[in-house]
Amino acid sequence: AQKVTQAQTEISVVEKEDVTLDCVYETRDTTYYLFWYKQPPSGELVFLIRRNSFDEQNEISGRYSWNFQKSTSSFNFTITASQVVDSAVYFCALSEAYNTDKLIFGTGTRLQVFP
Amino acid sequence: GAVVSQHPSRVICKSGTSVKIECRSLDFQATTMFWYRQFPKKSLMLMATSNEGSKATYEQGVEKDKFLINHASLTLSTLTVTSAHPEDSSFYICSAANRQATSYEQYFGPGTRLTVT
Repeated sequence: AQKVTQAQTEISVVEKEDVTLDCVYETRDTTYYLFWYKQPPSGELVFLIRRNSFDEQNEISGRYSWNFQKSTSSFNFTITASQVVDSAVYFCALSEAYNTDKLIFGTGTRLQVFP
Repeated sequence: GAVVSQHPSRVICKSGTSVKIECRSLDFQATTMFWYRQFPKKSLMLMATSNEGSKATYEQGVEKDKFLINHASLTLSTLTVTSAHPEDSSFYICSAANRQATSYEQYFGPGTRLTVT
């Protein structure tokens, strides 16, 4: 069965702190995709990244970075020097190669960045 | 990224009435559209997948007669909640994708908050 676990329900940090959001997944498939989405208070989901299971290289995009560790089935997301605008709910999601349509979402982590 | 709109953004309806939610892809052709439901402070649950011109595929536990989905064109899908009840109150989000595109990505709409009184 496929499952995505985001154990951190809520995280609060002060601006300029670094913060890591954890994501652990379960799948029997050898080929799959992992995603991170941001949901600001407005409600719209904003795509952040997609990573396929064969690409374990870490990725950095500005203040965002992702650490994919297949050995621990984790795909963690770090925001460096957080800003108030980073406050949102962040979802990790999984889709399997045989059914790329179906996104299985974690329960989300609410990040609050205080000035 | 591509733009997906939803209308209305908020709707309040009385118990027993039906309400229609529209999902439009504004700048690309969406061969596939998805409907999700999100309860407060909860994750998104896929309700159904619709392909243009064919019947929607519903996830287990989702009543197809309750949640009618139509995907009549490459830019529009509608979700009709029939005979709505208070337990149908939720945040409904659609997403759209183009299966023929090289980058198969789902683009999400801003969501529709439904309140049934």
